[in-house]
Amino acid sequence: DTAVSQTPKYLVTQMGNDKSIKCEQNLGHDTMYWYKQDSKKFLKIMFSYNNKELIINETVPNRFSPKSPDKAHLNLHINSLELGDSAVYFCASRRTLAGQETQYFGPGTRLLVL
Amino acid sequence: AQSVTQPDIHITVSEGASLELRCNYSYGATPYLFWYVQSPGQGLQLLLKYFSGDTLVQGIKGFEAEFKRSQSSFNLRKPSVHWSDAAEYFCALLNQAGTALIFGKGTTLSVSS
Repeated sequence: DTAVSQTPKYLVTQMGNDKSIKCEQNLGHDTMYWYKQDSKKFLKIMFSYNNKELIINETVPNRFSPKSPDKAHLNLHINSLELGDSAVYFCASRRTLAGQETQYFGPGTRLLVL
Repeated sequence: AQSVTQPDIHITVSEGASLELRCNYSYGATPYLFWYVQSPGQGLQLLLKYFSGDTLVQGIKGFEAEFKRSQSSFNLRKPSVHWSDAAEYFCALLNQAGTALIFGKGTTLSVSS
């Protein structure tokens, strides 16, 4: 009964490849996020979707494209992978309701670009 | 500007000793504040949160945090540290739009025996 799940957990790939990371939540939340944790463990928001609509798009290269097929899923597709994309990517979700501001995080996807 | 500062990059505490991890924030209104813990190779787990009301909040695993508006701080405490508490601790602030978390750079906690 995992709340927020991500696949794959580990991803090793070559520069220039295209890859996708999937996220699913079974909490009934309507807002989902992607955060990036760099090699210094700094966490920063990348994207946020509410009811399948993009509401945050931080300064992220357009090689990164999120897609939300439904409220329970938010996938991240990355084109033309670069060395600097190596990081841990966390998916999170929350209910968009006053008093429900807590975000619940997935286990992370560790991406290594060679 | 909204920001979170965790002044201590790395702290080492003896097992059984008390712990305090510092967090300072910059925010114009009443902040929504969180502490998350990340064990090695794991995701982020919520320890506790402050939205309003009682300034001393209790969390899981015996942690507590105190919100001090006058000092713009939200320090995390534990009276007696266990070896399993060794992890990365992140303080976070909900941004003004209420749409995303702003994280501090984290504090690595090591526990010595």
